[in-house]
Amino acid sequence: DVKVTQSSRYLVKRTGEKVFLECVQDMDHENMFWYRQDPGLGLRLIYFSYDVKMKEKGDIPEGYSVSREKKERFSLILESASTNQTSMYLCASSLQPYEQYFGPGTRLTVT
Amino acid sequence: KNEVEQSPQNLTAQEGEFITINCSYSVGISALHWLQQHPGGGIVSLFMLSSGKKKHGRLIATINIQEKHSSLHITASHPRDSAVYICAVPSGSRLTFGEGTQLTVNP
Repeated sequence: DVKVTQSSRYLVKRTGEKVFLECVQDMDHENMFWYRQDPGLGLRLIYFSYDVKMKEKGDIPEGYSVSREKKERFSLILESASTNQTSMYLCASSLQPYEQYFGPGTRLTVT
Repeated sequence: KNEVEQSPQNLTAQEGEFITINCSYSVGISALHWLQQHPGGGIVSLFMLSSGKKKHGRLIATINIQEKHSSLHITASHPRDSAVYICAVPSGSRLTFGEGTQLTVNP
């Protein structure tokens, strides 16, 4: 079974803090994705990566950056957290883009 | 971009009822994905289908490629089926998701 893990289930940070969300997958997938999920808006793609050190912007990249130094790990970085970044963050990985396996999610609260 | 619409947004049912959730998309696709998200956040894949029908236990998914429409059915619904159900379609190299259907099954 594919396993996608995320570093935290719940996280509380203060406005202005730098926040790292880590995602690790164990199936040697090339593709990895970061989404945020908000009520009424569904899943929205922040960034994705097709290979180590490669990244592409999704639909809502503003305020975020990513890092993929190793194939199995994809990090989402909030350089200066703001209250409008309070959300559920979900990581996914895949071989084919349309067959994605999701992590358990990180519920981030920025106060 | 492939637009995806799900209906209904919210659905409340009594245990034992037959449930149908619908998904329509705007651009032709090779496959469609149904996902389930329980309270607490984790998303799991239920089905990926490109034609006809698939069945897994009490869950049945159908797709009509010509009409750009898919349905997810739950027979003999149970409170443990309460979750958000999401359909997703490929859009270039990514997935486009519907907004999800919140299903609540009362005992």
